[in-house]
Formats: sequence, C-alpha cells, structure tokens
Amino acid sequence: GAVVSQHPSRVICKSGTSVKIECRSLDFQATTMFWYRQFPKQSLMLMATSNEGSKATYEQGVEKDKFLINHASLTLSTLTVTSAHPEDSSFYICSAHDAGNEQFFGPGTRLTVL
Amino acid sequence: LAKTTQPISMDSYEGQEVNITCSHNNIATNDYITWYQQFPSQGPRFIIQGYKTKVTNEVASLFIPADRKSSTLSLPRVSLSDTAVYYCLVGFNKFYFGSGTKLNVKP
Repeated sequence: GAVVSQHPSRVICKSGTSVKIECRSLDFQATTMFWYRQFPKQSLMLMATSNEGSKATYEQGVEKDKFLINHASLTLSTLTVTSAHPEDSSFYICSAHDAGNEQFFGPGTRLTVL
Repeated sequence: LAKTTQPISMDSYEGQEVNITCSHNNIATNDYITWYQQFPSQGPRFIIQGYKTKVTNEVASLFIPADRKSSTLSLPRVSLSDTAVYYCLVGFNKFYFGSGTKLNVKP
C-alpha cells in the first residue's frame, strides 16, 4: 500500500518554542491530508484538514493560529505548533488519501514540551 | 458525520476467531466502512474496507448487513501480536475516530 512518512518521529522542546512536523506521501500525490492528535490512552482527534494550495480547515476548538498548517505541494504538509506549552505534548499523526478512498496514516510524531 | 459505537474492550485467546461489532446508525449513502488497527505509539494501520455485504482479504473479513447500520470485523485465529486497539471508521473522505476496541489476546 501507499506510504506516508512523518518527520521527526520524536521531538523534545522547551516551552515557548515552535516545532514543525512534516508529513509526506512517498509514492502518491495527496491533495488532502489530515492532522490528528492523540493523548495517552485516548482515541485520535481530528485537528484539521490540509488542502494543497489553499487554507487548512480546522475542527471546532482547534486554534488555527497555534497550529499552523501548510500544504505547499501534493506530497508535503507541515504542522507547526507555535509557542508550544506542556499541554501541547501529544502524539501527532497525519494521514493522506490516495486516488481511491483508502486513507493512509503516518507513523506519528511524539512531541514533548518541557 | 456518522458516529460509531464499539465495545471498549474484548478479551480472547490465541487461535480463536474474534468478532468486533460496530454500530453506525447514521451512516450516509456514500459512506464507506473502514477498520484500522493501532499499536501503542504507532499510526493506525489499514485492515479492511467495505461498502456492503461481505469483504475478505488476507487478514480479516468484514460483514455488513443490508441496512448498513452496523458492521462486524472478523479476525480468524488471533495471535498475541493481534493485541491492539481496533477502530471502526465511517465516512467517505474525512474520518472521525470513535473510542475503538482494545483487544487483548491471551496465551
């Protein structure tokens, strides 16, 4: 099946700094990618829909100025957590659709904010 | 978007067949039903997808009744490595995750 990668897989940062997470579709083009967040022992929560060449669509309750999403190409979407705080520590997962209706998930990025 | 309801957890033993049922009463006409498996600290992994009736692949079967208001994921002869959380998702493009079912396979 199609492959979605994320980088970095793990990041530790100080409170107040910004962190960028990359999501790439390796062998297919994705006009739409999705960003999720998962806290320990909880389900995945959809944060936003990343649309290539246009603004992202954020879910209710997700601050668009805090979680900046850029989808500049058909194979890359980035999520920037701005001015990160300890409560932003979580597992961030992206996904992308191929030409069909199958959604492929990345391996996730563990963010720890000290 | 259709909301899904699954059992929070299930226990099984190695070699048994496991059936996990998901309710999705508000499924829309163009929604597909997709099941994913997730291990701790990993992204969800695709298991199977269907629209109606029965779908089978090398790892699982998916049974969908005519009214499509529920679906059952069947895992034949589970092993310890099948211990994971299983999510039933309903939708066409954008998916909202429910609570999932934590399957615990015992030796």
